[in-house]
Amino acid sequence: GNSVTQMEGPVTLSEEAFLTINCTYTATGYPSLFWYVQYPGEGLQLLLKATKADDKGSNKGFEATYRKETTSFHLEKGSVQVSDSAVYFCALSPAAGNKLTFGGGTRVLVKP
Amino acid sequence: DTAVSQTPKYLVTQMGNDKSIKCEQNLGHDTMYWYKQDSKKFLKIMFSYNNKELIINETVPNRFSPKSPDKAHLNLHINSLELGDSAVYFCASSLGTSGGEGTQYFGPGTRLLVL
Repeated sequence: GNSVTQMEGPVTLSEEAFLTINCTYTATGYPSLFWYVQYPGEGLQLLLKATKADDKGSNKGFEATYRKETTSFHLEKGSVQVSDSAVYFCALSPAAGNKLTFGGGTRVLVKP
Repeated sequence: DTAVSQTPKYLVTQMGNDKSIKCEQNLGHDTMYWYKQDSKKFLKIMFSYNNKELIINETVPNRFSPKSPDKAHLNLHINSLELGDSAVYFCASSLGTSGGEGTQYFGPGTRLLVL
């Protein structure tokens, strides 16, 4: 079956540091890949997505590139802010059907 | 505001009770979902409806019954609540069921606590 593995947190950073959250997946065919963010006490917000190999999704300074050869979709941001403190979820949607499979989430804490 | 909304936001109830959670989307989407997030933040799909028809039904106790009166609404009824049902329940919707149209947008969640 499909699966998503992402690095366990928490990840603690200082403001303006570089952030990387690793995400790898197992799926048949060409799934669509997503990053969602959950701020404290809130729901899930779509952060970015990529629907085919080599696509780069970007939003709010975050980027992730769909790498078919390494089955990865790592999330990066060059300079984090305190307001980026949240839990980040990597997810995939299969080529056929629409059942999102989520990774376990990575908590990020940015300190001033 | 265009969005996915859920009511109630918080629900505290006793074991054995029956409760419902409501979800509405005004995005014009055809597909709606229910997800459960446990205490460790793990998210798992429960159900999905496309144009009022059930298309995903994961291994969920039959105490949980979804109902979709129309494309814009998907409600979740839970009978005989148990302690293990305590979780955050998220509703989501998407335009379609594959590719870019399958991108899912989530509601704010309903935090259920069973005592």
